[in-house]
Amino acid sequence: QSALTQPRSVSGSPGQSVTISCTGTSSDVDGYKYVSWYQQNAGKAPKVMIFDVNKRPSGVPDRFSGSRSGNTASLTISGLQAEDEADYYCCSYAGSRGVFGTGTKVTVL
Amino acid sequence: EVQLVQSGAEVKKPGESLRISCKGSGYSFTNDWISWVRQMPGKGLDWMGRIDPTDSYTNYSPSFQGHVTISADKSISTVYLQWRSLKASDTAMYYCARLKRGHYDLDVWGQGTTVTVSS
Repeated sequence: QSALTQPRSVSGSPGQSVTISCTGTSSDVDGYKYVSWYQQNAGKAPKVMIFDVNKRPSGVPDRFSGSRSGNTASLTISGLQAEDEADYYCCSYAGSRGVFGTGTKVTVL
Repeated sequence: EVQLVQSGAEVKKPGESLRISCKGSGYSFTNDWISWVRQMPGKGLDWMGRIDPTDSYTNYSPSFQGHVTISADKSISTVYLQWRSLKASDTAMYYCARLKRGHYDLDVWGQGTTVTVSS
């Protein structure tokens, strides 16, 4: 099971929007509604930001949103803030197991 | 408070065996699965496998099948990750996380256990 493909890095100025893509296949991203996104700050455990493609857990700011089109899922951060600078990983169910994306570093300029 | 608490850092030699643990509290431990996730130094997240604490049914990612064993003791709300013979390439941070039934997201994470394998 190959990792899902994400861009290595994206950047934006405070207040701007950035979108991270996550490309898989019909066996994972396009096959199930179970795509989630995780934020990881340096030296910390990951934190779920989006689940079931586009649902936000309680406590996650509404500037984080998720979507999917075919075999590509996306995470959009609107109104970028300095505290959003972190690594982000997508993850998809792939039939009895999961598969993570390659990870994207978000830099706030 | 729902939490997963992992065992402490380990330093081992190649060929040695190891078992690390993950203890859940604050929720019904058999309601959801537990997954293990590896993060090698400076690298991304790797999904290793999952276990249903109810009956210890497991699934492994192909990359880890046969190299590690995931087990559970529901009587003490604890899941384990075990190696029979460590390699230097097993050096990594290992996280356990609660895998929500019906949603398949990892909503609660342990603090991580660092495993260092060096001669």
